[in-house]
Amino acid sequence: EAGVVQSPRYKIIEKKQPVAFWCNPISGHNTLYWYLQNLGQGPELLIRYENEEAVDDSQLPKDRFSAERLKGVDSTLKIQPAELGDSAVYLCASSFGLAGVDEQFFGPGTRLTVL
Amino acid sequence: ELKVEQNPLFLSMQEGKNYTIYCNYSTTSDRLYWYRQDPGKSLESLFVLLSNGAVKQEGRLMASLDTKARLSTLHITAAVHDLSATYFCAVDLSMYSGGGADGLTFGKGTHLIIQP
Repeated sequence: EAGVVQSPRYKIIEKKQPVAFWCNPISGHNTLYWYLQNLGQGPELLIRYENEEAVDDSQLPKDRFSAERLKGVDSTLKIQPAELGDSAVYLCASSFGLAGVDEQFFGPGTRLTVL
Repeated sequence: ELKVEQNPLFLSMQEGKNYTIYCNYSTTSDRLYWYRQDPGKSLESLFVLLSNGAVKQEGRLMASLDTKARLSTLHITAAVHDLSATYFCAVDLSMYSGGGADGLTFGKGTHLIIQP
């Protein structure tokens, strides 16, 4: 069974440029999560989808970040414009059922460097 | 606001020794997860602890959960170099928060180095 797929694995951009990350969850998983992991820290939840609905995006900085999961399968996280402080690893995770019911499986992450 | 604290944050130990990593959390929960992360890699699920008194073992690692004390431990027995990694505990509050953003709250991680 394929795991959570993310691309690109690495991205280097200059500040003020836009960037997008893509995630394909494990087949059949209804819940999808985007996390931000800063160096030396644990992941922090940005947004959670149940199917195509963003059930909580309260931790997503909406002035520059946006996300979508149009068909309830794969998802895209966008930053526009990127700032130096956005340099981090962006992790996608998925679970079969509702949050709190099923274990989350993580993708390899996208490491973003903003110069 | 849920706080999850791990200690120690850094641990260097010799092969063959035993040690315990502690995870304290501030709010009622009976769902706790332990993950392993190797440098540059994603998180690998180690244990899922779903009730008070839960104990799970896999090889040289054993995890336990005391929901009354809001404490989980990850015990390493006779450590080997291959266990060198960063270990995270994560607490799930979704069942108590009405489906809010508290799906998983992670500790800062314990960076473990096991030397021959």
